Amino acid sequence: AQKITQTQPGMFVQEKEAVTLDCTYDTSDQSYGLFWYKQPSSGEMIFLIYQGSYDEQNATEGRYSLNFQKARKSANLVISASQLGDSAMYFCAMRGYHQFYFGTGTSLTVIP
Amino acid sequence: DTGVSQDPRHKITKRGQNVTFRCDPISEHNRLYWYRQTLGQGPEFLTYFQNEAQLEKSRLLSDRFSAERPKGSFSTLEIQRTEQGDSAMYLCASSSRMRPSGEQETQYFGPGTRLLVL
Repeated sequence: AQKITQTQPGMFVQEKEAVTLDCTYDTSDQSYGLFWYKQPSSGEMIFLIYQGSYDEQNATEGRYSLNFQKARKSANLVISASQLGDSAMYFCAMRGYHQFYFGTGTSLTVIP
Repeated sequence: DTGVSQDPRHKITKRGQNVTFRCDPISEHNRLYWYRQTLGQGPEFLTYFQNEAQLEKSRLLSDRFSAERPKGSFSTLEIQRTEQGDSAMYLCASSSRMRPSGEQETQYFGPGTRLLVL
């Protein structure tokens, strides 16, 4: 069965510093996709970054990068140069056969 | 394109009443998902449509829940005889297949409908 684990309920980071949000996954599929979403207090889920299981390079999207370690089944999100607007819930997700599986999320607070 | 839209954004109802939510996906997306999210949790999958066909339903989706996508465009989610435990955010997402194997299928979410059952 597919499962996403996020072990950090809450994280704090100083503005302009980098922060890593952890995500581990479990799947028996050979091909899968991993995603990170941001959910501000307004509630909307915002797509941040995608990593394919066969992609050899780590994905990057602006200040977001995904540290993909396939053997360890981890897909950590790295946010560089944190901004106050980055304060939100962050969810790691994996695409299964006909659905997506989400972790329980990490609440990130950026401190001025 | 304005993205995925959901209506209403908020709904307060009394226990035992029926409620219906609507989702309008991104126009070129043929796949549509419904999720439920409670406080402090990630979204939980409810059901999935490809065009008008409902291809997957979660065990979470009791007999009181029904979803339709009659013309393969907008979708409705109805909850009959609501219970207090149904209080949650109901999220809709749409996507289109990016690769033949489908793994790079990025979902785009609507703003959600927040339901409160009194």
